[in-house]
Amino acid sequence: SQQGEEDPQALSIQEGENATMNCSYKTSINNLQWYRQNSGRGLVHLILIRSNEREKHSGRLRVTLDTSKKSSSLLITASRAADTASYFCATDEGSSASKIIFGSGTRLSIRP
Amino acid sequence: NAGVTQTPKFQVLKTGQSMTLQCAQDMNHEYMSWYRQDPGMGLRLIHYSVGAGITDQGEVPNGYNVSRSTTEDFPLRLLSAAPSQTSVYFCASSYSRRARAFFGQGTRLTVV
Repeated sequence: SQQGEEDPQALSIQEGENATMNCSYKTSINNLQWYRQNSGRGLVHLILIRSNEREKHSGRLRVTLDTSKKSSSLLITASRAADTASYFCATDEGSSASKIIFGSGTRLSIRP
Repeated sequence: NAGVTQTPKFQVLKTGQSMTLQCAQDMNHEYMSWYRQDPGMGLRLIHYSVGAGITDQGEVPNGYNVSRSTTEDFPLRLLSAAPSQTSVYFCASSYSRRARAFFGQGTRLTVV
């Protein structure tokens, strides 16, 4: 079974609006990462947040982590057409922390 | 910088054939992994390696073998291809299991 599950599965917003995606996971983690995948391409790393951090920023991206709820959110502000992609969270399984497991992803579409 | 290189980019196999998907990285990363991605889904971990000579199973290891004789290379072998193995395969590497991963561009495999 997958460690991370993203919500919603698909999101369509107007250019300029903010997009929020959520990720829930099942076991304790050391860190959580967010990746972007453009259609048919490899994944690109966006941001990593450690279990002892609650919020992290990178440009137009803001990630929060709530370990008590086993959840994270990715906020993209002032969306652009180029943000159209699938977004995945990835976590290390708590027991061995050697397996990096990905969620099923959120497909984000930005309407012009 | 080459990063993570996967070959081939596309492959068509007949049921029962075997083949090896190649993955090489030039960043001296210890951690390498193989994922498969089926249409509209996230990535599922097949096998991973935390260093040369050390490999372990992921979420969906059946039908696949790996070896890690050098730090740079992490080939994935399909022993007897089945239509259920039709997928896009991604190789990834990272400095450690807790660091950001770099992905190859993927191998699109079709088994007929």
